[in-house]
Amino acid sequence: ETGVTQSPTHLIKTRGQQVTLRCSSQSGHNTVSWYQQALGQGPQFIFQYYREEENGRGNFPPRFSGLQFPNYSSELNVNALELDDSALYLCASSREATNEKLFFGSGTQLSVL
Amino acid sequence: AQSVTQLDSQVPVFEEAPVELRCNYSSSVSVYLFWYVQYPNQGLQLLLKYLSGSTLVKGINGFEAEFNKSQTSFHLRKPSVHISDTAEYFCAVSDRQGGKLIFGQGTELSVKP
Repeated sequence: ETGVTQSPTHLIKTRGQQVTLRCSSQSGHNTVSWYQQALGQGPQFIFQYYREEENGRGNFPPRFSGLQFPNYSSELNVNALELDDSALYLCASSREATNEKLFFGSGTQLSVL
Repeated sequence: AQSVTQLDSQVPVFEEAPVELRCNYSSSVSVYLFWYVQYPNQGLQLLLKYLSGSTLVKGINGFEAEFNKSQTSFHLRKPSVHISDTAEYFCAVSDRQGGKLIFGQGTELSVKP
């Protein structure tokens, strides 16, 4: 089994720019969830994609958007970056939209200057 | 809605001593409970989970946790810690429908020689 991989590992952007983060899910998994982890905090749920459809969304503004592809990989897009968007972004994959066995990637560290 | 409170932000302990990391949750529905560990610059790794059945759950690396429904707690324990257990530990809850995980703020376990 291949694990969950995220790219890039680190990214530096300036306020107002747009960013795309990528996640390859574990083999056999059809569900991807995205989390934002600010420094010193627990991860916060952004949204989940199940079989290419959004399947739940956390308390994040519409400038956070996502996509899931037919191979179940996923993208997280953030428009109009703000300083508070600086965080570790974690992707997790699972089978059939359950939380019973989530596999997390190592994350993308985004810094907004 | 669910919430999670980790009662200790930092727990220093000497090597080979026992440790308990405390977690309380609130929910109006039946839940799944999880403990994850995060090593520096890495994603989250599942330590153990409670889905149903026995309230004492054993996980990886010698950790165990006990689900106490009346006290709405899910404390994590290890009888003898190692230097390598130094990490951030997160308690999390989800409802049984899947979707999002709600994480606590984390407990930093620091094991000293």
